[in-house]
Amino acid sequence: NAGVTQTPKFRILKIGQSMTLQCTQDMNHNYMYWYRQDPGMGLKLIYYSVGAGITDKGEVPNGYNVSRSTTEDFPLRLELAAPSQTSVYFCASSYIETNTEAFFGQGTRLTVV
Amino acid sequence: RKEVEQDPGPFNVPEGATVAFNCTYSNSASQSFFWYRQDCRKEPKLLMSVYSSGNEDGRFTAQLNRASQYISLLIRDSKLSDSATYLCVVKPFAGYSTLTFGKGTMLLVSP
Repeated sequence: NAGVTQTPKFRILKIGQSMTLQCTQDMNHNYMYWYRQDPGMGLKLIYYSVGAGITDKGEVPNGYNVSRSTTEDFPLRLELAAPSQTSVYFCASSYIETNTEAFFGQGTRLTVV
Repeated sequence: RKEVEQDPGPFNVPEGATVAFNCTYSNSASQSFFWYRQDCRKEPKLLMSVYSSGNEDGRFTAQLNRASQYISLLIRDSKLSDSATYLCVVKPFAGYSTLTFGKGTMLLVSP
């Protein structure tokens, strides 16, 4: 059972480079999310999507972009990487109903140097 | 007041102890409540949902107090494997709303 799959697991970027973090889920979930987690801190919502073609900003969207062309995929784009974007990035998905579980990918550890 | 607040801990307890965590939330209209567990450098995973009447899953008991806007997690007979960070999670309202995570409470269970 694949669930939520994120790639890559690790990445080192130089300041100013760009990259796309990939996220795909095979559970036909409506909702998908991108969170970042800095050391010793909680999860902060970057962007989320309630379905294909619909995305919205979360708490910390600056420096990121997303798209949702299919139900399964929700890539996160970093443009002009900065050291402040060094973090662990988690993708998650869930159904739209109220009391349902969110499933997380294993995370992408990104370091910007 | 932050949306979801937790004592970061760490809570250091011996094996077999009972430990309780509280979490407060600011939005009185919140609909859904959860406890997630996160092991070091791993992704969060659902531990249990929290229902209005309270619920139990083995050694774990969750309670919701809507009047005081807090939820609790009680762990009985702690095991070494319970060492982790416990995240309080709130869904503000039904339909189109996202999950709000607390920063987590770290639990360390020692032999």
